[in-house]
Amino acid sequence: NAGVTQTPKFRILKIGQSMTLQCAQDMNHNYMYWYRQDPGMGLKLIYYSVGAGITDKGEVPNGYNVSRSTTEDFPLRLELAAPSQTSVYFCASSYSAGGGGDTQYFGPGTRLTVL
Amino acid sequence: AQSVTQLGSHVSVSEGALVLLRCNYSSSVPPYLFWYVQYPNQGLQLLLKYTTGATLVKGINGFEAEFKKSETSFHLTKPSAHMSDAAEYFCAVNTDKLIFGTGTRLQVFP
Repeated sequence: NAGVTQTPKFRILKIGQSMTLQCAQDMNHNYMYWYRQDPGMGLKLIYYSVGAGITDKGEVPNGYNVSRSTTEDFPLRLELAAPSQTSVYFCASSYSAGGGGDTQYFGPGTRLTVL
Repeated sequence: AQSVTQLGSHVSVSEGALVLLRCNYSSSVPPYLFWYVQYPNQGLQLLLKYTTGATLVKGINGFEAEFKKSETSFHLTKPSAHMSDAAEYFCAVNTDKLIFGTGTRLQVFP
């Protein structure tokens, strides 16, 4: 199994540009998550999904959109990039509910810079 | 609301010395507690977790952590540090969503 994969690994955007960060998992997990990691701040939840067609906001959703049309894929869309969105983005997945002891599996991350 | 506090953003030890990374949590319900490790330019990897049962939890690479309800703590320890342990370590608590601490960067000197 490849686990959780993310593309691209690195990206530089200009202010106002749009892009989609791709995330896929091959573990047949129901739950998928997007986090951003800023220095000294830990990881903050942007959006999550409990299954195909169902998404919900996390702690820091402003400026982002998600969709989940299949169990495997969970893309994150930035519509109008801003410097505040410079960060490292991690996708994760888990088999069962977020309120339990289930392990979340993380992808390798996408490092995004907005200039 | 649940929260996690990691004391010390940087910890330095000599190779062979004890590693102690501190984590305190706040939760209104019995928590599930996790330690994740992040090596440079990589994603997070589960080190160990506490769900129920035995309060001393053993993880990968010789790490262990003890859940102490009375102290609301879940400190991570390793008896003898190795150079390969240099990484960033995140404590996390999960009752509804997974909430991460701000991380502790461990440096290991030869």
